[in-house]
Amino acid sequence: QVQLQESGPGLVKPSQTLSLTCTVSGGSISSGSYYWSWIRQPAGKGLEWIGRIYTSGSTNYNPSLKSRVTISVDTSKNQFSLKLSSVTAADTAVYYCARDSILTGYPDPYYFDYWGQGTLVTVSS
Amino acid sequence: DIQMTQSPSSLSASVGDRVTITCRASQSISSYLNWYQQKPGKAPKLLIYAASSLQSGVPSRFSGSGSGTDFTLTISSLQPEDFATYYCQQSYSTPGTFGPGTKVDIK
Repeated sequence: QVQLQESGPGLVKPSQTLSLTCTVSGGSISSGSYYWSWIRQPAGKGLEWIGRIYTSGSTNYNPSLKSRVTISVDTSKNQFSLKLSSVTAADTAVYYCARDSILTGYPDPYYFDYWGQGTLVTVSS
Repeated sequence: DIQMTQSPSSLSASVGDRVTITCRASQSISSYLNWYQQKPGKAPKLLIYAASSLQSGVPSRFSGSGSGTDFTLTISSLQPEDFATYYCQQSYSTPGTFGPGTKVDIK
């Protein structure tokens, strides 16, 4: 059973960089059928996809965040990471990592089938 | 970006009721539509993918239909554990966007 676990600071100061890591267990992050995504959810609000990475290092980012986001992967540790720079209070949210699966017969990621439990990151001085 | 809307935004229902939630995309997304269930304090859970395919382990009372721009999630007989918020999500184009959610609570 695949499991994902987010880790990182729960409090970040405005203008600084938010850094989170997702550790994958129960399966290899290097499997060719999956991408690995970050998604966030402000309190009481909806879900926003931040970006994804493939094990080759290829990335896709949400254009609304692209200038501030970097997602990287460390296959030796079965982890992928998120960095979000120049944060403001608007970046306060629960951050989820998720497996972004490819449906047989389709070339691109189709659905998020495994999620981490989420980690709350608060941006405040 | 493709905009996703859902209706209603909330509904009250009783155990045993048939519940239908609608999701609409701002442009055609073929069948690139997924449904998730989220309970308070928990991560979303995939219910339906590709508009109508039931994710493994999900009860058969959940079903999905639609293509193009209009989709529905149906719960045939609402159970106590189904009270939650439901989100649709399109994966037709990047960024994959979610609907605003439909909260199902107890009548």
